[in-house]
Amino acid sequence: EPEVTQTPSHQVTQMGQEVILRCVPISNHLYFYWYRQILGQKVEFLVSFYNNEISEKSEIFDDQFSVERPDGSNFTLKIRSTKLEDSAMYFCASNGAGTPNSPLHFGNGTRLTVT
Amino acid sequence: DAKTTQPNSMESNEEEPVHLPCNHSTISGTDYIHWYRQLPSQGPEYVIHGLTSNVNNRMASLAIAEDRKSSTLILHRATLRDAAVYYCILRDGNKIIFGKGTRLHILP
Repeated sequence: EPEVTQTPSHQVTQMGQEVILRCVPISNHLYFYWYRQILGQKVEFLVSFYNNEISEKSEIFDDQFSVERPDGSNFTLKIRSTKLEDSAMYFCASNGAGTPNSPLHFGNGTRLTVT
Repeated sequence: DAKTTQPNSMESNEEEPVHLPCNHSTISGTDYIHWYRQLPSQGPEYVIHGLTSNVNNRMASLAIAEDRKSSTLILHRATLRDAAVYYCILRDGNKIIFGKGTRLHILP
């Protein structure tokens, strides 16, 4: 069964550094998402992306965050200047076929540690 | 997304059925009821969804009340691998919003 893959599985970075988290969604999917989960807390929506633009974003997704689909397969989340509070698991997800209730498929996440 | 209410945690014995309840009294006519789960150290995983009728798939069954104000996820024969946080979500649109879910403990 096709999977969403995320790399790296663990990223350690220093405060103030830029970090890029990478995702390869399922190939025929059209909608892409980023979520995050701070340790011990619930999964939080960050942003959704469709047709090469952001379709929706949460209050968490401020100017420090950006997303890009640089080619036909990758979907990236960039944090420009990381803060300690950005430490979390970041999950990428995708769904497709144009049906709004098609299930989201999640990757197993990237653990970001900001020191 | 409308609000759902789930118990914080539940326990069940291995190889027995598990009924996970969810209340969603403010559900609107276009909200689909989705269930996801999150196994330890993994991303969320889709389980099942429905609108009005009961649904079955290889993972679980979803029983939806006639007034749609509540639903129950049924795992027919729990295994240790089913220990996870289960999320009941009302969805009207593309993104999904997670609540705190129910942490299911399976006792061997």
